[in-house]
Amino acid sequence: DIQMTQSPASLSASLGETVSIECLASEDIYNNLAWYQQKPGKSPQLLIYYASSLQDGVPSRFSGSGSGTQYSLKINSLESEDAATYFCLQDSEYPFTFGSGTKLEIK
Amino acid sequence: QVQLKESGPGLVQPSETLSLTCTVSGFSLTSYGVNWVRQPPGKGLEWMGTIWNDGSTDYNSALKSRLSISRDTSKSQVFLKMNSLQTEDTAIYLCARSRPDNSFDYWGQGVMVTVSS
Repeated sequence: DIQMTQSPASLSASLGETVSIECLASEDIYNNLAWYQQKPGKSPQLLIYYASSLQDGVPSRFSGSGSGTQYSLKINSLESEDAATYFCLQDSEYPFTFGSGTKLEIK
Repeated sequence: QVQLKESGPGLVQPSETLSLTCTVSGFSLTSYGVNWVRQPPGKGLEWMGTIWNDGSTDYNSALKSRLSISRDTSKSQVFLKMNSLQTEDTAIYLCARSRPDNSFDYWGQGVMVTVSS
C-alpha cells in the first residue's frame, strides 16, 4: 500500500499569513493527489484535484503543487473561515490512501 | 445539487453484519462511481471500496473478504454490507462520489456505527 505522510499534524497561523501543508507518498503517485478541507460536523470539501487543479468554487487563495512523491497545499492570505482540518488523498493506486490530516488554527 | 446521505443502524452486535445505504441525488449512478470510506474514532480515513458507474467494484484488500458493495440505480442507492464485525470496525462511515480522475468530489456527512454488545 502507498503510505501518505502528512505534515505538520497541526498548525497555528495569523490572519493574512500564508501556510503550507505537505504530503509525502511512499512511491510515485503521478500527480494523482487531492486535497480536502473538513470542518467539525461537516462533509469534507474537495479543494484541489490532480495535484494542482482548483475545484470549481474554491477560492484562488488555495493552490496545490508537487510531483512524484512530494506534494503541497498552500493557503495564501489566511481567513478565519480557513480554520479546519486538511487532508490529502492519493488515488493513483489501490487501495486509495489518505494523509493523517493537519489541523489549522487561526490565531 | 449533488447530495449523498448515509443511513443505517447506529449499533451493531459483534460478529453480526453491517448494512448501510448511501442515497444520492443530483447525479446518476450510471454516470459516476461511489466510494465508501470510514474513520475510526481518533484515527485516519480508510478507503473501503468503490462501485463504478458500470457496476464493477474495487475493494480494499484488507476488507475484501468481509465486504460487499452493490447498488440499485432505480432508487439512486448504493449499499455496503460487511460481515463479522468487531469492535475495531466502530467508525464513522461515509460515502463519496468519484470524479473521472478518481478523486472524491462530494461526500455525505457520515453515519456513526458502534460495534458493541
